[in-house]
Amino acid sequence: EDQVTQSPEALRLQEGESSSLNCSYTVSGLRGLFWYRQDPGKGPEFLFTLYSAGEEKEKERLKATLTKKESFLHITAPKPEDSATYLCAVRSSTLGRLYFGRGTQLTVWP
Amino acid sequence: NAGVTQTPKFQVLKTGQSMTLQCAQDMNHEYMSWYRQDPGMGLRLIHYSVGAGITDQGEVPNGYNVSRSTTEDFPLRLLSAAPSQTSVYFCASSFRDSPLHFGNGTRLTVT
Repeated sequence: EDQVTQSPEALRLQEGESSSLNCSYTVSGLRGLFWYRQDPGKGPEFLFTLYSAGEEKEKERLKATLTKKESFLHITAPKPEDSATYLCAVRSSTLGRLYFGRGTQLTVWP
Repeated sequence: NAGVTQTPKFQVLKTGQSMTLQCAQDMNHEYMSWYRQDPGMGLRLIHYSVGAGITDQGEVPNGYNVSRSTTEDFPLRLLSAAPSQTSVYFCASSFRDSPLHFGNGTRLTVT
C-alpha cells in the first residue's frame, strides 16, 4: 500500500536554530516527491520536486534531499517567517496519484 | 494570471442540502483534482480529471460528484450534505506529472 509519513508532527525552533523535517514513503514506483508549504487559511504552495535518490534542491534557507526511502527538508538558520505547515507528497506510478503526508507544523520564535 | 480560483470561500449547509463548489483555472492545465483536508488526516483525493470529459474517483469519492465539460472548470457537487463532509476543500491543477497548483480552499460546515 502506498504511504507517506511525516515527522515530527510539530516542531518549535528558536530563530537561527537549524533542523530537519522527515518524509518517509513506500510507493510502487516513485514518479516524483514534492514539498509544499501551507500557511493558515491558504492552499499549499509548491517548493520543490525531487525525482531520484541523491537529488538535492535548494531555495533560500531550505534544502530538500531524497533517498530511496525518505526525503529531508533541511531548514538552515530559520526565521519567524518560515513558520508554516510543510507537506510532503509522492506521486506513484499506480495511476499517477499523489499521496500526501499529514504535514509538519513548524513554529519559529524570535 | 489568477491561477486556481475557488468559490465560495466559506459555506454553511444544513444536513441534506446540496451545493456546488466551483473551481476554475486559467493555466490550460489538463489535470484537475479535488482534495479535502481534515485535522490530523492530511489531504485526501476526492475526484480527479485528466482532461475535458474524463473524470475518475480518488480515495474518498462517496457523496460527491464531478464533471469536466471544459478545460478550465471542474465543479464539485455535494449531493446531500452530511456533517462528516465538514472540511476544507481544495481544488488543484497541473500539467501531467508536474507540481500541483492549489486554490485557497472552501471552508464548508454542515450542521
